[in-house]
Amino acid sequence: GNSVTQMEGPVTLSEEAFLTINCTYTATGYPSLFWYVQYPGEGLQLLLKATKADDKGSNKGFEATYRKETTSFHLEKGSVQVSDSAVYFCALENKAAGNKLTFGGGTRVLVKP
Amino acid sequence: KAGVTQTPRYLIKTRGQQVTLSCSPISGHRSVSWYQQTPGQGLQFLFEYFSETQRNKGNFPGRFSGRQFSNSRSEMNVSTLELGDSALYLCASSLARDRPGELFFGEGSRLTVL
Repeated sequence: GNSVTQMEGPVTLSEEAFLTINCTYTATGYPSLFWYVQYPGEGLQLLLKATKADDKGSNKGFEATYRKETTSFHLEKGSVQVSDSAVYFCALENKAAGNKLTFGGGTRVLVKP
Repeated sequence: KAGVTQTPRYLIKTRGQQVTLSCSPISGHRSVSWYQQTPGQGLQFLFEYFSETQRNKGNFPGRFSGRQFSNSRSEMNVSTLELGDSALYLCASSLARDRPGELFFGEGSRLTVL
């Protein structure tokens, strides 16, 4: 079946530090991959996506590249801000499953000024 | 443009009771999905509705049910509540089938079962 594994948090960083959150997946076929972010007290928001191997998704300074050979979709940001403090979820969608997303456990990121 | 609206935001029930949660999707969105979020199990897919038809279902017992109305609004119901049903229930809507996985989430309904 489908599964997503992401690094456990919390990850605590200083402002302007480099952020990496690891995400690996197991899936049949060729899934689409997503990063969602959940700010305190809010619902999830789509951060970025990639739909095929070697695609790079990017948004708000965040990037992630779909690596089929390593079944990974690591999230990176070069210089984090306090406002990036949130919980980040990696997810996959198997094209046969419509909007049924399989999520990782989430990684809490805390950025300190 | 209004976002996904879920009501109620918070509710407390006792074991054995039932609960109904409501979700109003973004205008024009015809797909509505429901997810359960708990600290132990994380985010788990409950079901998805598209044009009033259940298109997909997760691995939850039959106590969990849902429906979608002709205006795309959706409700989910949990009967015979158990302590383990305490969770944040998230509704998400989606514009089109050709963008699967691109979901717009509401803020959730937090259910506490005592």
